[in-house]
Amino acid sequence: LAKTTQPISMDSYEGQEVNITCSHNNIATNDYITWYQQFPSQGPRFIIQGYKTKVTNEVASLFIPADRKSSTLSLPRVSLSDTAVYYCLVDTDKLIFGTGTRLQVFP
Amino acid sequence: NAGVMQNPRHLVRRRGQEARLRCSPMKGHSHVYWYRQLPEEGLKFMVYLQKENIIDESGMPKERFSAEFPKEGPSILRIQQVVRGDSAAYFCASSPLNRRENTGELFFGEGSRLTVL
Repeated sequence: LAKTTQPISMDSYEGQEVNITCSHNNIATNDYITWYQQFPSQGPRFIIQGYKTKVTNEVASLFIPADRKSSTLSLPRVSLSDTAVYYCLVDTDKLIFGTGTRLQVFP
Repeated sequence: NAGVMQNPRHLVRRRGQEARLRCSPMKGHSHVYWYRQLPEEGLKFMVYLQKENIIDESGMPKERFSAEFPKEGPSILRIQQVVRGDSAAYFCASSPLNRRENTGELFFGEGSRLTVL
C-alpha cells in the first residue's frame, strides 16, 4: 500500500507556476521523497529528490516542511509539454508508487 | 550510456498464449524492478530481482506470472496463458543499488505494451 496521497488531477495554463502537494503522514526516518514525471506511452522519469527543507534543480523545486509529513513539487512557468502524470514516491523500502497527479496544461 | 531497454515495445497475444517481456538494465545496474500499469492507472509494483535472485515478488499474481534475472542476459517477465485482464503496460526499472540502499531513484524503460485479444 502506497504511503502517499496526492490530488488526482490539476489544471493550469501556460506560464503559471504549479504546485503539487503530496501527503505522507507515515514517512519513516530513513525515507527520502522522490518525484517522477510520466508522459503518455513513456516510462516514468526522475525529476527531483529531497530529504528535508528545499531542493532546486533545473526542472523543479521541492519544498519539505520540518515535520516531513508532506512535500510540494513546484514547477515554475509551465508549458504545454509539462502535461503529464506526476508521482510522489516515499516508500523507499518497497518502492511502491501512488496513483499520481495528472497535470493538464492549457494554452 | 544506453538506458534501460525493453522489448518488445508492443506485443499482441491471443488468450491462452504466452507473453515474454525482456528488460536489459542500464550498464552497471544489477537490480531490476517490474511494474504493471493498467490504462489510466498508476504503477503497481510486481517484483524486485537481483542477478539470479528474486528478492521480493509480493506484487506478482500467484499463478501464470514468473520473472527471472539470469547471470547473463536480460531480465524476463513471463506470463503464461494470458487473459484479457493482462492487457497493460509493463515497465522495468533498474538501479545500481539494492533496495535498502536506494533512496528512491530508479531508471525506467519505455515499457512493453501487451494487448490480449
